[in-house]
Amino acid sequence: GAVVSQHPSWVICKSGTSVKIECRSLDFQATTMFWYRQFPKQSLMLMATSNEGSKATYEQGVEKDKFLINHASLTLSTLTVTSAHPEDSSFYICSAGVGLPRYNEQFFGPGTRLTVL
Amino acid sequence: RKEVEQDPGPFNVPEGATVAFNCTYSNSASQSFFWYRQDCRKEPKLLMSVYSSGNEDGRFTAQLNRASQYISLLIRDSKLSDSATYLCVVGRGSGGFKTIFGAGTRLFVKA
Repeated sequence: GAVVSQHPSWVICKSGTSVKIECRSLDFQATTMFWYRQFPKQSLMLMATSNEGSKATYEQGVEKDKFLINHASLTLSTLTVTSAHPEDSSFYICSAGVGLPRYNEQFFGPGTRLTVL
Repeated sequence: RKEVEQDPGPFNVPEGATVAFNCTYSNSASQSFFWYRQDCRKEPKLLMSVYSSGNEDGRFTAQLNRASQYISLLIRDSKLSDSATYLCVVGRGSGGFKTIFGAGTRLFVKA
């Protein structure tokens, strides 16, 4: 199956700093990439949908100025958590879709565990 | 009410048992349906798609009832390695679709 990588796999940072997470589709071109957040024992919550070359579409309640998404190419999307605070500590997962906008399988990255001190 | 609802469990079953998970969704515009598996601290992995006609993949059988907005997953002859959280996932929309994840059902298979 298609492979999606994320970097870093985990990060610990001080409150107030910014953290960038990269999501790459390694062996295919992803029309669309998705960013999710998962708190312990909760479901994945879609944060935003990004299409290459256009602005991301954010879900209600997700601050676009805090969670900056850049999708510069068909194989790379980045999520920057700006001025991170402890409540931003979570598991961030990206996924890449093929054959969209009709729904097809999403391929998930391994996730990035963010801890903000 | 959540758009996709699952019994959180946990389900504790012995090896070899048959276990069934249920999921309901509230948005009738939902178009696609999936079961994913998520191991602890890992990303979700697609287990199987779910079709109205029902589909089977080895020990796993999935069913969809659009009228009742209900999805099920049956696992036969449970293995220790089946221990995981099973996520019910619903997709909808055409121009700007979304995937909605259930909170998951935890399964523990014990020897």
